[in-house]
Amino acid sequence: SQKIEQNSEALNIQEGKTATLTCNYTNYSPAYLQWYRQDPGRGPVFLLLIRENEKEKRKERLKVTFDTTLKQSLFHITASQPADSATYLCALDGIGTNAGKSTFGDGTTLTVKP
Amino acid sequence: DGGITQSPKYLFRKEGQNVTLSCEQNLNHDAMYWYRQDPGQGLRLIYYSQIVNDFQKGDIAEGYSVSREKKESFPLTVTSAQKNPTAFYLCASSIELGYNQPQHFGDGTRLSIL
Repeated sequence: SQKIEQNSEALNIQEGKTATLTCNYTNYSPAYLQWYRQDPGRGPVFLLLIRENEKEKRKERLKVTFDTTLKQSLFHITASQPADSATYLCALDGIGTNAGKSTFGDGTTLTVKP
Repeated sequence: DGGITQSPKYLFRKEGQNVTLSCEQNLNHDAMYWYRQDPGQGLRLIYYSQIVNDFQKGDIAEGYSVSREKKESFPLTVTSAQKNPTAFYLCASSIELGYNQPQHFGDGTRLSIL
């Protein structure tokens, strides 16, 4: 069955550095991959979506890459700030019989220290 | 402002009792979803609905039921058959099912056993 793995449960970095979060998947060829941010006790908030034929996508300080050969997506936050501290979830959207059924990773909790 | 409203924020269930979680959206979205989130884990799909009067089971539908009588509303009932209901429940919507549309989430209902 399809499986998603996000790198280590927690990532701690210093303010101003670049945070890099990893999302690996197996037994799957997703058409789209999404990244969400979730704050404690709140619902996830959509950040970026990237398609299988796109290598990279940017939004302000955020950058997402999608390597279908490595079956991996990287999520970068440049010039990180304490306000970026949250849990980040990746989600894969299916096609065909899996269309509309998003599969979420367990998330990586990022802490940016001042 | 458009969005998704979940209520109540906290809910307690007695053994043998059915409880219903409310989810209302004013985004005019066709697709709606229910997810369950356990501590330190990602989201698992319970049920989803593509259109009014239609819904499909997700990965963990046993012990749950839903209805979709109105476009705006997608209530989830946690039945007594669900033996481990303690979790954070999230409702989401998207413009359409199976397309490259992000999901908008409510702020969840936390269900506990008395």
